[in-house]
Amino acid sequence: AQKITQTQPGMFVQEKEAVTLDCTYDTSDQSYGLFWYKQPSSGEMIFLIYQGSYDEQNATEGRYSLNFQKARKSANLVISASQLGDSAMYFCAMRTNSGGSNYKLTFGKGTLLTVNP
Amino acid sequence: KAGVTQTPRYLIKTRGQQVTLSCSPISGHRSVSWYQQTPGQGLQFLFEYFSETQRNKGNFPGRFSGRQFSNSRSEMNVSTLELGDSALYLCASSLAGGLAGTEQYFGPGTRLTVT
Repeated sequence: AQKITQTQPGMFVQEKEAVTLDCTYDTSDQSYGLFWYKQPSSGEMIFLIYQGSYDEQNATEGRYSLNFQKARKSANLVISASQLGDSAMYFCAMRTNSGGSNYKLTFGKGTLLTVNP
Repeated sequence: KAGVTQTPRYLIKTRGQQVTLSCSPISGHRSVSWYQQTPGQGLQFLFEYFSETQRNKGNFPGRFSGRQFSNSRSEMNVSTLELGDSALYLCASSLAGGLAGTEQYFGPGTRLTVT
């Protein structure tokens, strides 16, 4: 069964510092995709970054990078130079495929990040 | 370019009633996915529609159904509402990839309260 684990219910970081949000996953599929989303208090989910299981390089999008360690089955999100606007809930998600176009998307429980001034 | 819109934003219904939620994707996007978010179960995938056909489905009972129109707008229907259906319902659109793609754009959600 597919599973995403985010072990940090809450994290605090000082403005301008870097922070790492942990995500581990479990799947027996060889091909899968990993996503990170941000959900501010307004409720809207914002796509941040994507990593495919066959991608050899870690994904980066501006201040966001994904530290992908396939052997450890981890896909940690690194936010550099934190800003007050980064305060939000962050979700890690995994897409798997059970054959054909039968995709499944599994989310972790989320990590609430608070950026302090 | 306008984002994903969901209507209504808030809804209060009584147990046993049915409800219909609407989602208008970004112009040009053909895939619409629906998600349920609750404090207890977290975020769960409901189903995905592409070109008016359900392409993927999560593990929800048959009370949850959806459809997509030729203009890609989608509706989600929940019949015989239960208290546990109280949740934030999010929809997401993408060009064509949907769950198979690398990006989805979410709407602001509809918060459903069942009393």
